[in-house]
Amino acid sequence: DGGITQSPKYLFRKEGQNVTLSCEQNLNHDAMYWYRQDPGQGLRLIYYSQIVNDFQKGDIAEGYSVSREKKESFPLTVTSAQKNPTAFYLCASNPQGVQPQHFGDGTRLSIL
Amino acid sequence: SQQGEEDPQALSIQEGENATMNCSYKTSINNLQWYRQNSGRGLVHLILIRSNEREKHSGRLRVTLDTSKKSSSLLITASRAADTASYFCATPHTGGGNKLTFGTGTQLKVEL
Repeated sequence: DGGITQSPKYLFRKEGQNVTLSCEQNLNHDAMYWYRQDPGQGLRLIYYSQIVNDFQKGDIAEGYSVSREKKESFPLTVTSAQKNPTAFYLCASNPQGVQPQHFGDGTRLSIL
Repeated sequence: SQQGEEDPQALSIQEGENATMNCSYKTSINNLQWYRQNSGRGLVHLILIRSNEREKHSGRLRVTLDTSKKSSSLLITASRAADTASYFCATPHTGGGNKLTFGTGTQLKVEL
């Protein structure tokens, strides 16, 4: 079955630590996205990538970094510069053009 | 920036009743999408309606789009307990590309 896999499901970060969230898709989609969701809120775009080896900042990129070395993978690093990282992080992908986005089941990040 | 705003924020109904959720947006769009999110999970695409369509159906879902009022509605008929979820509208991001901007969502609870 094709889909998007996010890992881990739960992640805890210590002060001053960088953590990396994994997102892998086997849908052969060109575009991938990272969103942050705070309790009771909508999704806010952190970073997106339309093609391998290219990515762009979204609306709230400060304190985050990404890479897109393979079509299937779009990892997100939450750096120590992100002062309020506690949130639910969602990864999505879609083909080029006006197409629905497919989502993973998210990673919940908390601070120790 | 938030493009879509859903109304109401929360809705509680009995099984078998219809549920109507509304979405208002600010700028001209060429399409609008609705997504569903079960608690602690990723979003699932429900329906996409284009600006030249006024109404679209999918099973028990009916979506309308009024571009003159910059609003859309999602109607779920004969609701079931399994419809309990949050529902989000999404519009094309003002930054262009295939990015989306999500609304704040409507939390629907369907009680037995």
